[in-house]
Amino acid sequence: DAGVIQSPRHEVTEMGQEVTLRCKPISGHNSLFWYRQTMMRGLELLIYFNNNVPIDDSGMPEDRFSAKMPNASFSTLKIQPSEPRDSAVYFCASFLAGLSGANVLTFGAGSRLTVL
Amino acid sequence: KQEVTQIPAALSVPEGENLVLNCSFTDSAIYNLQWFRQDPGKGLTSLLLIQSSQREQTSGRLNASLDKSSGRSTLYIAASQPGDSATYLCAVYSSNTGKLIFGQGTTLQVKP
Repeated sequence: DAGVIQSPRHEVTEMGQEVTLRCKPISGHNSLFWYRQTMMRGLELLIYFNNNVPIDDSGMPEDRFSAKMPNASFSTLKIQPSEPRDSAVYFCASFLAGLSGANVLTFGAGSRLTVL
Repeated sequence: KQEVTQIPAALSVPEGENLVLNCSFTDSAIYNLQWFRQDPGKGLTSLLLIQSSQREQTSGRLNASLDKSSGRSTLYIAASQPGDSATYLCAVYSSNTGKLIFGQGTTLQVKP
């Protein structure tokens, strides 16, 4: 398996533009997480899905942020309109959730977003 | 609400020293706790996972312990090497919420 795949790896955009980040989880994993990482705030959980259903989006900072998971192999995180304070590295992670707690969370390489 | 704290925030040691990184969490209702390593500008790599029923896990020079009752975990690194320099993060998988919550990390520098 190629692991969790995120795109784009880097994006530079201007304030007000729409940004779409993409994630392909590991095949067979049933939980997907979107995190944002900044120097000031560390790793923040934005939203997570279980079996393609959003379970908790309380970490999504504002209505400008939205996330979807139309099927088990694809998720998007959209920011519209983008602002300079959204500049961060956005990570997607997936794992196979289960009561045993034996499964490892696997991260993608991240999407570095810069909003000018 | 689960809160995860890591102490110290930064640590600098000479090569060869044994060291301990600390992680504490407020809610003991967890499925597991994971330790990750992050190199500058890179993603996170899982180092060790301890299930809630376990007390420790070992991988090479790394040993992680878990004390659920006190809400603490430690990551022990033996005979540290310059290549161990990175940020180490712990993450708790909460059984109440299904969330994985991260600490702020400990940035380790091992000097040759």
